[in-house]
Amino acid sequence: DNQMTQSPSSLSASVGDRVTITCRARQAISIYLNWYQQKPGKAPKLLIYAASRLQSGVPSRFSGSGSGTDFSLTISSLQPEDFATYFCQQSYFLPLTFGGGTRVDIK
Amino acid sequence: EVQLVQSGPAVRKPGQSLKISCKGTGYRFSNYWIGWVRQMPGKGLEWMGIIYPDDSDARYSPSFQGQVTISADKSVNTAYLQWRSLKASDTAIYYCARNLDFSSGANDAFDFWGQGTMVTVSS
Repeated sequence: DNQMTQSPSSLSASVGDRVTITCRARQAISIYLNWYQQKPGKAPKLLIYAASRLQSGVPSRFSGSGSGTDFSLTISSLQPEDFATYFCQQSYFLPLTFGGGTRVDIK
Repeated sequence: EVQLVQSGPAVRKPGQSLKISCKGTGYRFSNYWIGWVRQMPGKGLEWMGIIYPDDSDARYSPSFQGQVTISADKSVNTAYLQWRSLKASDTAIYYCARNLDFSSGANDAFDFWGQGTMVTVSS
């Protein structure tokens, strides 16, 4: 399996902060990397696909970058509704694999 | 509006069987792959497998191959996840999710998700 490693596993931040989460693939996956947001008790929500393409309806403060093995998700100005857990997922190899998640909570 | 509506919570004893469902509405169900994802209590997401409802072509993660069966009935726009003999370690939330364009590369992502089905296996 192509292991996906996210860092940090958790972070504390304030409203208005710029937040960056990274995801590293064990094997190169081109740009086939997706990001999801999950709030407690809710299903995941697609934010970014193909490393940098913003899913319809997702605020522009979310952005993604990277290719090969190293990727990042940036929230330019953290809003109260952004406190959640974020997962990356590669779609280059089967089985599809997710990162372990990054929990973003309020400082 | 695209929606995936899953069956309700289930409680079973170890060794019992179970089939949960995921009904798609608001789009052409047959033409989008539907995946299943497990989330054990307090843990991350694990991809179990995926099916194309039009021809029931199914792919499985090696971790789940032989442990579950994924099926679909396009006549009722519904995908299923089935166990023959549950274990306590199957206790988890199971999500179905629509894939934008499976195996296409760039568009291979889960864009709509069901609300999740909580499965509890306990004696």
